[in-house]
Amino acid sequence: TQLLEQSPQFLSIQEGENLTVYCNSSSVFSSLQWYRQEPGEGPVLLVTVVTGGEVKKLKRLTFQFGDARKDSSLHITAAQPGDTGLYLCAGDKASGGSYIPTFGRGTSLIVHP
Amino acid sequence: DTGVSQDPRHKITKRGQNVTFRCDPISEHNRLYWYRQTLGQGPEFLTYFQNEAQLEKSRLLSDRFSAERPKGSFSTLEIQRTEQGDSAMYLCASSNAGDTEAFFGQGTRLTVV
Repeated sequence: TQLLEQSPQFLSIQEGENLTVYCNSSSVFSSLQWYRQEPGEGPVLLVTVVTGGEVKKLKRLTFQFGDARKDSSLHITAAQPGDTGLYLCAGDKASGGSYIPTFGRGTSLIVHP
Repeated sequence: DTGVSQDPRHKITKRGQNVTFRCDPISEHNRLYWYRQTLGQGPEFLTYFQNEAQLEKSRLLSDRFSAERPKGSFSTLEIQRTEQGDSAMYLCASSNAGDTEAFFGQGTRLTVV
């Protein structure tokens, strides 16, 4: 069982469309990170959300942390081909007093010109 | 410092051979993580170090895998007697203790033939 469930798993859209991807869990997280990964590369950190209900914006990307800090969403406005990639959410899993970033399976986004 | 560096970027090896990968973290980071990622999956945690101490190992880390961080700076991940199932992207990340954000290298793509 995945600690973090991401949906949808795949998304193929046209340039200019809006989209939302989701990251859900039954666990409460102290923080949650969103990464974007391109084929053959490592994940690149986009944002960290910490406070329940928090909303952060990064240009056309809007990230929201759920009030109960169990879920998060990423909304992209007017998607561009450059937004294509694997979007991963990660939460800190407590293990023996330490916190280890634990990932969902990701949402694979393709934006067609 | 330009970020987390991994070497090599790609490795093709024959089944049964040993391979070793290197990771140089961001210099001021005291935590170093190793992850494995296969197609269609998010990164799966393997192990992590705080300074030179290996504090956590996943059940994914079989006895053919060993990781070291002898001086608390760079780390190596060795796989002995490689199997085809070891083919994956091996990712290294670093962070500061107490920080929830981990920064990734570009990964080492291992192909076992």
